[in-house]
Amino acid sequence: GESVGLHLPTLSVQEGDNSIINCAYSNSASDYFIWYKQESGKGPQFIIDIRSNMDKRQGQRVTVLLNKTVKHLSLQIAATQPGDSAVYFCAEIPMEYGNKLVFGAGTILRVKS
Amino acid sequence: NAGVTQTPKFRVLKTGQSMTLLCAQDMNHEYMYWYRQDPGMGLRLIHYSVGEGTTAKGEVPDGYNVSRLKKQNFLLGLESAAPSQTSVYFCASSYGGRLNTEAFFGQGTRLTVV
Repeated sequence: GESVGLHLPTLSVQEGDNSIINCAYSNSASDYFIWYKQESGKGPQFIIDIRSNMDKRQGQRVTVLLNKTVKHLSLQIAATQPGDSAVYFCAEIPMEYGNKLVFGAGTILRVKS
Repeated sequence: NAGVTQTPKFRVLKTGQSMTLLCAQDMNHEYMYWYRQDPGMGLRLIHYSVGEGTTAKGEVPDGYNVSRLKKQNFLLGLESAAPSQTSVYFCASSYGGRLNTEAFFGQGTRLTVV
């Protein structure tokens, strides 16, 4: 079956540095990829998405990169702030599964002041 | 505008008891979802609905039932709770369709089955 996994379960960065969170996916038929942020005790919050016909998309302080050749997705956070500390999930929407989001296990981002 | 509201926020059940989790959204979204989140794991889809009166199974539907009698509400039922259903449950909603992937999540319901 399809799966979405993360390379690093925990990432610690210094405040002000850039963060890169990686994600590997296995379903080459997925056409949407989404990053969510989940703070402690809260539900996941949408950050940014990217379609499979794109390789880069930028938002406010975040950039998502998609490499379909190696089935790799990354989230880059510029000038990481303490408020960025959270669990980050990548998710994909396989074409054959309608709108079902398939989530990865998550990466914990810790920002050191 | 409250977004997605889940009730209750916490619940402890005894094995074999039943309960219903309520999800309400005020964004006129077509799609609604129920996920469970277990420690060290991502969210797994239990059931979802693409519109009023419709429901469909997700990845882990066994032991759960759902109903979408009104567009704004999506109910998740546990007929006979088991310890394996101890988890945090999240409801989400979205406008729907593959053109809009942003799903809005509720705050979660922490369920413990003893």
